Amino acid sequence: GQQLNQSPQSMFIQEGEDVSMNCTSSSIFNTWLWYKQDPGEGPVLLIALYKAGELTSNGRLTAQFGITRKDSFLNISASIPSDVGIYFCAGQYGNNRLAFGKGNQVVVIP
Amino acid sequence: EAGVVQSPRYKIIEKKQPVAFWCNPISGHNTLYWYRQNLGQGPELLIRYENEEAVDDSQLPKDRFSAERLKGVDSTLKIQPAELGDSAVYLCASSSPSGANVLTFGAGSRLTVL
Repeated sequence: GQQLNQSPQSMFIQEGEDVSMNCTSSSIFNTWLWYKQDPGEGPVLLIALYKAGELTSNGRLTAQFGITRKDSFLNISASIPSDVGIYFCAGQYGNNRLAFGKGNQVVVIP
Repeated sequence: EAGVVQSPRYKIIEKKQPVAFWCNPISGHNTLYWYRQNLGQGPELLIRYENEEAVDDSQLPKDRFSAERLKGVDSTLKIQPAELGDSAVYLCASSSPSGANVLTFGAGSRLTVL
């Protein structure tokens, strides 16, 4: 299967700070998706990116589809306590398959 | 609009016992997915249905796992017999024909095998 690398595994940030996370792979993807998962819940879609170079915002979230189609980043501006959770990147490839990264755990310190 | 509904939310069984999970996708979503999520990992696809047809089951361990979606709506995933390594969260997701890459997930069924 396709490997997506997310690092660091955990991030501790002060409330109000911005945080960036990225997702890289040696494989090319047709679509990049960013999901957030809260404890005991399923992942919830945050942003979908469909074209190389595309930059998309959703409120305080901004994500970009890398030009090489092998990476994507997600930025959260002015973090708030409810931003706590695990953020997963996912890349669509082949016959409509999705590969997920291992996730970034974000902790917001009040 | 109701989301993807899964049951049970939690299940604890002893190894070698059978277990089944049920999923009702969002109305009108013809594509249904079963994913397994191990602790500290991202979801991994087990099987994908287009209506009642399993179009991608290459990652389903067919010796002990089975799934069905007889009428193209709700679906069940069964494990028989369960092994210790099957402990995980089993996530169901669905997507509509117009939004093929936008999966909506259920809350998951957490399985613990003792």
